[in-house]
This record gives sequence, C-alpha cells and structure tokens, in this order.
Amino acid sequence: GAGVSQTPSNKVTEKGKYVELRCDPISGHTALYWYRQSLGQGPEFLIYFQGTGAADDSGLPNDRFFAVRPEGSVSTLKIQRTERGDSAVYLCASSPGRDSSYNEQFFGPGTRLTVL
Amino acid sequence: GNSVTQMEGPVTLSEEAFLTINCTYTATGYPSLFWYVQYPGEGLQLLLKATKADDKGSNKGFEATYRKETTSFHLEKGSVQVSDSAVYFCALSEWGSQGNLIFGKGTKLSVKP
Repeated sequence: GAGVSQTPSNKVTEKGKYVELRCDPISGHTALYWYRQSLGQGPEFLIYFQGTGAADDSGLPNDRFFAVRPEGSVSTLKIQRTERGDSAVYLCASSPGRDSSYNEQFFGPGTRLTVL
Repeated sequence: GNSVTQMEGPVTLSEEAFLTINCTYTATGYPSLFWYVQYPGEGLQLLLKATKADDKGSNKGFEATYRKETTSFHLEKGSVQVSDSAVYFCALSEWGSQGNLIFGKGTKLSVKP
C-alpha cells in the first residue's frame, strides 16, 4: 500500500517568502505529525493532529509557522516570512491513532527546505 | 522533561563485526522505546520497539532490551553487513500517549567490506 508522501521533495525559496509543504498520510491514519530535522540532528517535533484538530502544537517555534488538516487527511505546513534558520528537512508522519496499542509512526521521505 | 541520549558517531565497523549503539533516556512514567533507521536517500523506518520494561525488541538481526533500572535501550547486532550502513535513531513516546516521539541525535554507522 501507499506510504506517507510529501511534496515537494525539495523547495528553495528566498528569505521573507511564504512556503507551503504538503503531507499525504497513510489512508485511514487519524494521527498526523510534523517534525523538523536539521543537519546532524534527530527530528524535532512541531505539531500533532488527531483528526482535523491540532492536539499538540507546542513544538511550533513561533507564529510564522502554522499547519492545517481541514478534512482529517492531507495536511499543509505553512511558513510565513521565511528565515535562513528555517532551512531543514521537514518530515511528516502518520499513525493509526487511538486504536493503536503503541505509537508507531510511519514517516514520509521529507521536504528539504532551503532558504537563501 | 523527557529526553534521549545516544552515543555519538560516526561508527565504522568491518563486516561481521559486533555492533552496540548506546541509548539512555529520561522520562516520567513508562515510555515506549523505539529504534528508527534512516538508510541513505530514504525516509525514517521503524526498526524495532519495546513498550514495557524487560521487553526485547528485535528485527533484521538487531535487538534492544528495555532496561528500566538503567533507563537504557541499547541497540545490538551480532554480525553487521554492509547493507546495515545507515543512521540509527533512538526515540521514546510517553506511555499511553499518541503524541510526539522524542529522538536522539542519531548515530551514523558505516560498515566496510
């Protein structure tokens, strides 16, 4: 079956621009997560959705970052007024959600964002 | 707060050597523990997991045992192959939580023929 997909795979933008990153989770997975991975580091949590609502957005670094999941499936991570420090690989993951006995998350390939 | 510490790499081994990658954690309660692997050019994949103390997770010849007394979850393999070259991440999730994973910084393993 299809795994988690993310588009685009690479995004180059200029400082100050707005970007949107898309995630298509595994069909039927109710939980969706966004992480950010900087070079040489482990993924760092940004936001977690259960269905359409953000259950935990405590990892978003500031108000330039926002994410939506309007129909409980596809999610979009939005970054306003991008800064060079936003350059990283943005990872999306999904999991079956509350019906699962443990929290196994399935990761997409990531979007590499470069802010010039 | 919760955290994961794993040994720094890179680790370079010859084929058929024994592998240990150390991982320790700090957590309240009883977390679930995971090892994820990232092969070159690919996304993160779950390698193995353990959800309670003394559980042993295993997959593809890799093993890790959940040790509550030492708050550790060390990854081991008896005989590595060139195809095991990858970055390995230890991670935890709070017990009963569907929330985020907390990852270590990763350990890069290179296996030479």
